[in-house]
Formats: sequence, structure tokens, C-alpha cells
Amino acid sequence: EDKVVQSPLSLVVHEGDTVTLNCSYEVTNFRSLLWYKQEKKAPTFLFMLTSSGIEKKSGRLSSILDKKELFSILNITATQTGDSAVYLCASNYGGSQGNLIFGKGTKLSVKP
Amino acid sequence: EAQVTQNPRYLITVTGKKLTVTCSQNMNHEYMSWYRQDPGLGLRQIYYSMNVEVTDKGDVPEGYKVSRKEKRNFPLILESPSPNQTSLYFCASSFARGNEQYFGPGTRLTVT
Repeated sequence: EDKVVQSPLSLVVHEGDTVTLNCSYEVTNFRSLLWYKQEKKAPTFLFMLTSSGIEKKSGRLSSILDKKELFSILNITATQTGDSAVYLCASNYGGSQGNLIFGKGTKLSVKP
Repeated sequence: EAQVTQNPRYLITVTGKKLTVTCSQNMNHEYMSWYRQDPGLGLRQIYYSMNVEVTDKGDVPEGYKVSRKEKRNFPLILESPSPNQTSLYFCASSFARGNEQYFGPGTRLTVT
């Protein structure tokens, strides 16, 4: 069965901490891995990763993919209260155009 | 402004009363999809459409119908809603299946 598993399910940190969110996947014909941020509304796109070892970076957020070990991490440095959200990982996999399967998310709470 | 719109945003209805949730995108995307999001279960795909008149089932299609008569619109139809369809629904679109998806603002549906 194709699946995406995120860990931890929830995390509480203080402002200024660095956090690492994990995403492992087991899918047929993997194509790419995507990260989204969801606050109290719709998910917004963060990164799409297709190649191992190449870091994608946007401000304090960065992500990397390991296709050999079938996982990705999302790092957030110098966390702020505005980083509080659910972070979703999704894998694009399958046939001619691929399908998208989501993990259950990691709920991050950043305390002042 | 590039966006995905959904209506209504909130809906409370009774068991068995047919309803339609509309979804429209202005980005000329070929791929559109419906998800439901439930606590502890994450985002699960209901139906998707790769182009006009091309639709297919996702992971949880039971009790739902869709249509894609125009490229921009992808309504979700509940012919006979039941309480287990109480959920938060998201419409999403992308240039192609598996690419980064743009999500609508969500529709919170309660079926009593």
C-alpha cells in the first residue's frame, strides 16, 4: 500500500529554536515530494523536491530529499510564532501523470 | 489575482438533501481535484479531473459525484449527504497531476 508517514505528529518549541520535520514515503514509481504549510485555512505550497541531496531553501525554511532512504526533512531555523501551523508532506507517484498522496501532517506550535 | 474559489464556505444541511459545492479556478489549469480533511486522517482525495470531461475516482469517492464540463469549474455533488460526510473540503488545481497544487479556501460542511 502506498503511504506517506510524517513524524512527529506534533511538536512544541520556543521562539528561536530550530526544528526538523520528517517525512518518509513508500510509493510506487516515485516522482517528487512536496511540502505544504497549513494554518487555519488552505494549504500553501512550500517546496517540491525531485532529486536527492539538493537542498531547497526559502528564508528560514529548507528541505532536502533522500531517494535512497525514502525520506525528506523540512528544517525551520530561528522559529517564530508565525511558523505555527500544520506542515504537510505529499508524494507524487504512479503512472503517466502521477498521483498525490498526503501524510497526516506535523502540527508545530511555537511559543513566545 | 490567480486563485481557486469555493462556495459556499460554510454549510449546515440535513441528511438526504442534495447539495453542490462549487469550485472555480482562473489559472487555466488542466488538473483539478477534491479533498476532504478529517482530524487524524489528513487530506484524502475524493475525485480528480485531468481535463474537461475526464474525471476519475480518488481514495474516498463513495457518496460523491463530480463533473467537468468547463476547464475552470469542477463542482462536487453530494446526492444524498450523510453525517459521515461532515468534513472540511478543499478543491485544488494544478497545471498537471502531481505538480504543486493551489488550494481553495475550503468548505466546512456539517450534515445533521
